[in-house]
Amino acid sequence: GAVVSQHPSRVICKSGTSVKIECRSLDFQATTMFWYRQFPKKSLMLMATSNEGSKATYEQGVEKDKFLINHASLTLSTLTVTSAHPEDSSFYICSARDQRVQETQYFGPGTRLLVL
Amino acid sequence: AQKVTQAQTEISVVEKEDVTLDCVYETRDTTYYLFWYKQPPSGELVFLIRRNSFDEQNEISGRYSWNFQKSTSSFNFTITASQVVDSAVYFCALSPGGYQKVTFGIGTKLQVIP
Repeated sequence: GAVVSQHPSRVICKSGTSVKIECRSLDFQATTMFWYRQFPKKSLMLMATSNEGSKATYEQGVEKDKFLINHASLTLSTLTVTSAHPEDSSFYICSARDQRVQETQYFGPGTRLLVL
Repeated sequence: AQKVTQAQTEISVVEKEDVTLDCVYETRDTTYYLFWYKQPPSGELVFLIRRNSFDEQNEISGRYSWNFQKSTSSFNFTITASQVVDSAVYFCALSPGGYQKVTFGIGTKLQVIP
């Protein structure tokens, strides 16, 4: 149980384009999902907390207009990197909190984004 | 403020050796949760264990064991008879009670050499 999927797993795009990453909880409902960014050989940096049916809460220093988050249902949250630039290249990981076991976050497999 | 310190950035062991990954945390909360996650080279984060602050009982799961000591604010992770498949980055993490965000340590890269 507690499976989280992400799509796509890997994406390469041109500078200036937008990229959408999906995060789905497959076998549980998640009122809260989280988006992290991980640089090579670094820890996870929380970008934002996504709450179903309401606006996301962004961490300090994260541009909300740059990283658009939508959490339209209890099983899906999306992160859109708008007007991507090479410095946005990174590993993006989402996690979801199971309503039944709220203390634990379960992570998706991650999305590797490369902006050329 | 919360903080998780994993002082060992990289560890190498020979297969079948035991290895302990250290984790020290700081928090002012009386209720909190501690976690260990494994990140293999493929990238996905695998949940290993959750421990709440009121439960100091050590836990064993197969070759994995965890030693939680509130007196020293430590939550160490031991792998017994390590295997090559254990090679990964291991993250210790902390979350206050009330379903708040998780703070991760910097991770310890474990390499198990055949």
